[in-house]
Amino acid sequence: EVRLVETGGDWIQPGGSLRLSCAASGFAVSSIYMSWVRQAPGKGLEWVSIFYTDGSTYYADSVKGRFTISRDDSKNTLHFQMNNLRAEDTAVYYCARDAVDSSGMDVWGQGTTVTVSS
Amino acid sequence: SYELTQPPSVSVSPGQTARITCSGDALPKQYAYWYQQKPGQAPVMVIYKDTERPSGIPERFSGSSSGTTVTLTISGVQAEDEADYYCQSADTSATYRVFGGGTKLTVL
Repeated sequence: EVRLVETGGDWIQPGGSLRLSCAASGFAVSSIYMSWVRQAPGKGLEWVSIFYTDGSTYYADSVKGRFTISRDDSKNTLHFQMNNLRAEDTAVYYCARDAVDSSGMDVWGQGTTVTVSS
Repeated sequence: SYELTQPPSVSVSPGQTARITCSGDALPKQYAYWYQQKPGQAPVMVIYKDTERPSGIPERFSGSSSGTTVTLTISGVQAEDEADYYCQSADTSATYRVFGGGTKLTVL
């Protein structure tokens, strides 16, 4: 079964750091693009980062310089290191399989909640 | 930064046809995708590559493209189709992803 499971969400104070993980099963994360997408409470979807199969990474302006996407092929897991967190980073964070053949974000995890508040 | 524009809301009666548009300058060059999201659930892709329907998605969902606008059409809307719908595409370099602001479909 193809599946993504996110973990690591928590309540954290502004300025703090958090690391999210996305464990994949049923396919290899090394063979496909992987994205992080977030959704603030009551708001729409916001793409935040992508990890391409060639190892290149890209970020939305809202998180550039603070967040880092990485991949552990041995554990078939995608990670998202979030530093210098702000209140506006409060959201449900989803990882999504973003297929290399332009077939879109066809598999999503259930999401993990990050709350940034003092 | 690149943006996709959707109407905030669309309302239809059961059995009617709902059309949700999405506009963006790069849409003639980049594929569009549509996702359905129900409260408390992760998004589900309902259309990919402008017009293709993933397996398991009902035939009443279809997509079309014309210039800088793509359209999601739901024919014979059912109560279960009430949800938020998001279009998604990429910038002209195909490097960055972008989502539209979302459209809330209400089935009257």
